[in-house]
Order: sequence, then structure tokens, then C-alpha cells
Amino acid sequence: GAGVSQSPRYKVAKRGQDVALRCDPISGHVSLFWYQQALGQGPEFLTYFQNEAQLDKSGLPSDRFFAERPEGSVSTLKIQRTQQEDSAVYLCASSLGHLQNSNQPQHFGDGTRLSIL
Amino acid sequence: GESVGLHLPTLSVQEGDNSIINCAYSNSASDYFIWYKQESGKGPQFIIDIRSNMDKRQGQRVTVLLNKTVKHLSLQIAATQPGDSAVYFCAENQMKTSYDKVIFGPGTSLSVIP
Repeated sequence: GAGVSQSPRYKVAKRGQDVALRCDPISGHVSLFWYQQALGQGPEFLTYFQNEAQLDKSGLPSDRFFAERPEGSVSTLKIQRTQQEDSAVYLCASSLGHLQNSNQPQHFGDGTRLSIL
Repeated sequence: GESVGLHLPTLSVQEGDNSIINCAYSNSASDYFIWYKQESGKGPQFIIDIRSNMDKRQGQRVTVLLNKTVKHLSLQIAATQPGDSAVYFCAENQMKTSYDKVIFGPGTSLSVIP
């Protein structure tokens, strides 16, 4: 497809389980972002990749959260030992450029809705 | 810390009327702003952007106004339609050392009354 694709769309897990969320960015997009969106709130930045390099992971809530983009295209966000407060929509976005001040809009996927029971 | 925020959390307008959604920002160094529309169950969708060297930019039925003096941004939607019902976010571009980081405001929920 032409847009950012995320899978699964919905994920239900028991507290303590590990989960993996996948993002397929738009082909050729250098920049990839992960966001966490709580109900009724705006997206909160988690981490940023420029190709395969993770340049900013300052938004990851804890060391239970891990993201990778080994070949500079598909990215996976992994959450270990999930807790109820991890329940949220996880959004992925990609953009064409990476240069500072390039002013490139981000294109979002429809997110993965994660529910921890 | 510095952030982007919205004046009104909810807005209801009659179909056919014009809508105005407001946004205040606090980082005077920001030079690029974006408006996103998010429908239920979907990701944010880019609507329109504006750079700080502009005061106004128009798209199809939408206009963004930027007032740098008071650090205020607004989105105007002409002839609002039921399909415009969604949450609207303004976002601010913060320049980092190696990339541009976008910070989202909390959003305004727009409801269009048929």
C-alpha cells in the first residue's frame, strides 16, 4: 500500500506478557517515529529512527520498551512484562527527510490498540 | 516545559457554518507548525502546515493563521461538513541536533451538527 501500515490493529495481552508491534513505513522514508496515545490525549513521542539508527529514545517510558529498525525499513516496538498502564494506542509515523529543519510532515499509520488485562 | 496547547477541548458547529480551532504555543523558536485531523480509530492525518515566515496559508476549505506576536495558531474550516467531525491537533516542530521533533497539543474535538 501507499501508506504507513501497522499490525496488529488490536492486541490484547495479560499483564506480564511480552508484545511486539510492527510498523511498515512508506517506502523510501528515512525517518520513522513511534508515539503512544492515551485515550483523549495527543500522541506522545517515544522514539525516532533515521534509517536503521535509533537517534532518540528519550520518550520510552521504561527499559521494558524496546524498538528496532534493523534494515532501515520495517520497525518493531517491543514491550516486555506488560503492565496495565501500557494500555494505549501505539502510532507509527514516517517522513521522507531527515535533515534538520526540513519541515517534512509525518504520515501516520492507524495504530495498534493495546489492551493489557 | 514548553508545549503546545489548545484553548477549547470541544467545539460544536452547525453544518455549513465556518469552524475556528485555536492553538497556543510557547516555544518562540518554533518555525514550523502542522495541523492534523484524527478520526475515530484512525491515525492523525495531515491537513495543512505553515512556516514561521508566513502569516496565512490556504488549502481546500481550510486556512491556517499564524500570529507570532502572541504565539497563536488557528485552523479555519469553511462550510463545515459532517465529515469534518474529528479531533484536531496542532503540532509544533522543535529542532533537535539531528532531526525535527514534533510535539502535539492535547487536541480539540469538533462535532458537526447536521
